Amino acid sequence: EILMTQSPATLSVSPGERATLSCRASHIISMKLAWFQQKPGQAPKLLIYGASTRATGVPARFSGSGSGTEFTLTISSLQSEDFAVYYCQQYEEWPPWTFGQGTKVEIK
Amino acid sequence: QVQLVESGGTVVQPGGSLRLSCAASGFSFSSYGMHWVRQAPGKGLDWVAFIRSDGTIEFYAASVRGRFTVSRDNSKNILYLQMNSLRNEDTAVYYCAKDESDRNSGGWYLDSWGQGSLVTVSS
Repeated sequence: EILMTQSPATLSVSPGERATLSCRASHIISMKLAWFQQKPGQAPKLLIYGASTRATGVPARFSGSGSGTEFTLTISSLQSEDFAVYYCQQYEEWPPWTFGQGTKVEIK
Repeated sequence: QVQLVESGGTVVQPGGSLRLSCAASGFSFSSYGMHWVRQAPGKGLDWVAFIRSDGTIEFYAASVRGRFTVSRDNSKNILYLQMNSLRNEDTAVYYCAKDESDRNSGGWYLDSWGQGSLVTVSS
């Protein structure tokens, strides 16, 4: 089973600032990584797949990078609607499909 | 557009059974694999089960294998999760999610999700 580890657990950022979230896989997963955003009381929403491809309708301020075992989600200029929990998930080796434990982006 | 609507969540006693449904619309349901993912209160996302588009292959998380069964009715565009021998630790919001092909990398990722259905296991 591939273990996904996200850091930090909580990220405090001021609106307009840049946020950088990390995700590490316990084994090489090529670029088979997705990022999801989840707001309180809502379902997860796909942001990025293939490590760097934005899903339909996702603003350009969201970007993904990395390959192998190290990945990053960057939000270039945080908007009020971006404060949420973000999860990474690998789809290289399954079952199981595995998620990171999440990074909460909160207002500083 | 893709729409997934879960139903069937309720309060059930430990040891009891429950069946969740996920009604799909807006896409060719019979062409896509489907997942169930759950989220315990205040916790992260936990993959539960997968079923192939034609229903011939199923996978389960170790924590539910032998107790949960995923199935689908492609004539009705409905995905099911039969949950037996429920435990307190099965308490969660259960989401259904659609599989999608990553044509660049060759893998399959979860793209669209339903709004979830809350299952509470408690005496």
